[in-house]
This record gives sequence, structure tokens and C-alpha cells, in this order.
Amino acid sequence: AQSVAQPEDQVNVAEGNPLTVKCTYSVSGNPYLFWYVQYPNRGLQFLLKYITGDNLVKGSYGFEAEFNKSQTSFHLKKPSALVSDSALYFCAVRSAGNAGNMLTFGGGTRLMVKP
Amino acid sequence: DVKVTQSSRYLVKRTGEKVFLECVQDMDHENMFWYRQDPGLGLRLIYFSYDVKMKEKGDIPEGYSVSREKKERFSLILESASTNQTSMYLCASSPLLAGGSYEQYFGPGTRLTVT
Repeated sequence: AQSVAQPEDQVNVAEGNPLTVKCTYSVSGNPYLFWYVQYPNRGLQFLLKYITGDNLVKGSYGFEAEFNKSQTSFHLKKPSALVSDSALYFCAVRSAGNAGNMLTFGGGTRLMVKP
Repeated sequence: DVKVTQSSRYLVKRTGEKVFLECVQDMDHENMFWYRQDPGLGLRLIYFSYDVKMKEKGDIPEGYSVSREKKERFSLILESASTNQTSMYLCASSPLLAGGSYEQYFGPGTRLTVT
């Protein structure tokens, strides 16, 4: 079975400060890891993914995430937060051997960026 | 760009009604998914389909059924709606042969209220 934990329901940061949204995972075999963002009353938008290669992956809107195999983590980061980054963020995982491409999602973290 | 559309953004139904939620994707994807999203629980997989007329149960299939008669369309059916099925329903699609993408593409969601 695969699982994802997002330990923080909400993260508050001031505009211009760096932000981190945490994610840890459990999966059999090699993980494929994803971050999605959801704005109010919208579907999920893909931000970035880790499949293989460099542990630091860069995605849309200036976001990046670091894959840490020993800590089974995939934290989302941004050097300088914007008010427009305020949204709900989901981490997701699938096993590399999962032919059905089924993702398991975390519970979500609400990011609030204050001016 | 991949486009996933859902038939309704908001839906209000009465207890006991049969409810149909429709999802259409325009990228010839083999895989299609139905999730429900509830606060604090993230996204939970209801059903998925990897081909026409094929379906597999997800984590929470009870009270739901699905239909996939055409590759581009995946329907979620609530045979007899109940108040505990009030939720946001999200449809997603992805290619079977990932070709390096692997991510799922989401529709805008249907917020269903059962009274």
C-alpha cells in the first residue's frame, strides 16, 4: 500500500519570505512524486513531479521540490512567496510499478501568504 | 493542452435520487479516474477505468457505479444519493503509456449537495 502524509493543515507565510510545504510518503519500490495546486472552486493543477534523476526538481510558478530518499520526503519550496500563491496544495505518490497510474494523495495543506 | 470537462460545476439533488456525473477528455487518454474531495481527507479514489468498458474499484466505491462506453467519456453514477455523498467530485485522465509524463489531468470539479 502507498500513503502520503502532509503534516500541516495550514502554512502561513509573509509575502516575500521563503515557503515550505511538507510531504512524506510510503511506497513499495521507487516512488513517482507529484505536487498539485488547487485554487478556490477549481480542479487540481499540476505543479511538478519527480520521476528519476536530480533530487531537486523545478516546476511551474517558481516552485521547486526536493526528493530525499532517506527521509522519504518531497517538500515543496519557493524562495519568495506571493499573495497569489495562496491555495490548497496536494502531494501525491505512485509506485513505479503501478501500471494503472493510480495516485495516492495527501490530505492537503492550505498555504496562506499575507501581504 | 489536455482538457478535461465535467458536465456541471454545481449540483443539488434530493436524497434517493439517481445522479449522473459526466466527464469528457479530449486527449485520447486510456486511463480515467473519479475522486471525491473532502476537507482534511484529500482526494480519495472512487473508481478508475483503463479502457472502454473496463473499470476497477478504488478505495471508496460503495454507493457508486461507473460507466465507460466511449474512450473519451467516463460517468459516475450515484444509484440512490445520500447526504453523506455531499462532496466535491473530481475527474481526471492520464495516458496508459505514460511516455514520461505520468501526471493526471483534472477537470474543474462538480460540487454536489444532497439534501
